[in-house]
Amino acid sequence: AQTVTQSQPEMSVQEAETVTLSCTYDTSENNYYLFWYKQPPSRQMILVIRQEAYKQQNATENRFSVNFQKAAKSFSLKISDSQLGDTAMYFCAFMGNSGNTGKLIFGQGTTLQVKP
Amino acid sequence: DGGITQSPKYLFRKEGQNVTLSCEQNLNHDAMYWYRQDPGQGLRLIYYSQIVNDFQKGDIAEGYSVSREKKESFPLTVTSAQKNPTAFYLCASRKMPGLAGGEQFFGPGTRLTVL
Repeated sequence: AQTVTQSQPEMSVQEAETVTLSCTYDTSENNYYLFWYKQPPSRQMILVIRQEAYKQQNATENRFSVNFQKAAKSFSLKISDSQLGDTAMYFCAFMGNSGNTGKLIFGQGTTLQVKP
Repeated sequence: DGGITQSPKYLFRKEGQNVTLSCEQNLNHDAMYWYRQDPGQGLRLIYYSQIVNDFQKGDIAEGYSVSREKKESFPLTVTSAQKNPTAFYLCASRKMPGLAGGEQFFGPGTRLTVL
């Protein structure tokens, strides 16, 4: 069974600085998808970034980028130029390709606080 | 505006009662999902449906039931058999189950509290 682990329950960063959130996963599949979702205090889940395992190039979305290490089964999220609006809980999620069910397996989450 | 709506936002239930949480989407998505969120445990899958009139159990289906009579709607019933139902419930949908890797879009959630 696939598992996703986020080992940092809480993190903080000063506004305008850079922070990296860690995520590791376990799977026997070769093709799969990885996501980072953001859940602000409103509790609305918002997709931040996605990575397809068969693509070697790391995904980027403006200030958000990932470091995808397939062999190490690691998928970290880097937030550059942190803003107060980045304060949220961040979830790493895995979607296997088997059966195309689209089921997501989530990590436990990391609460990020951006300090002014 | 297209999106996913969940109602009510807050729900209170007495022990022994069944309650139904609503989830509606107008995104024309085929697949819909229900997750439960507890503090420190992330989101866990309760049920999912890839097509009308068909659904499958997720990892924590015991004490819950669903129906999928319309493409747009996927209500979740929390039955009295669910031993610890107090949680935050999130509904999600996804376009084309056959399109591998398509992300899920989430509703705003329902907070259920058992009194």
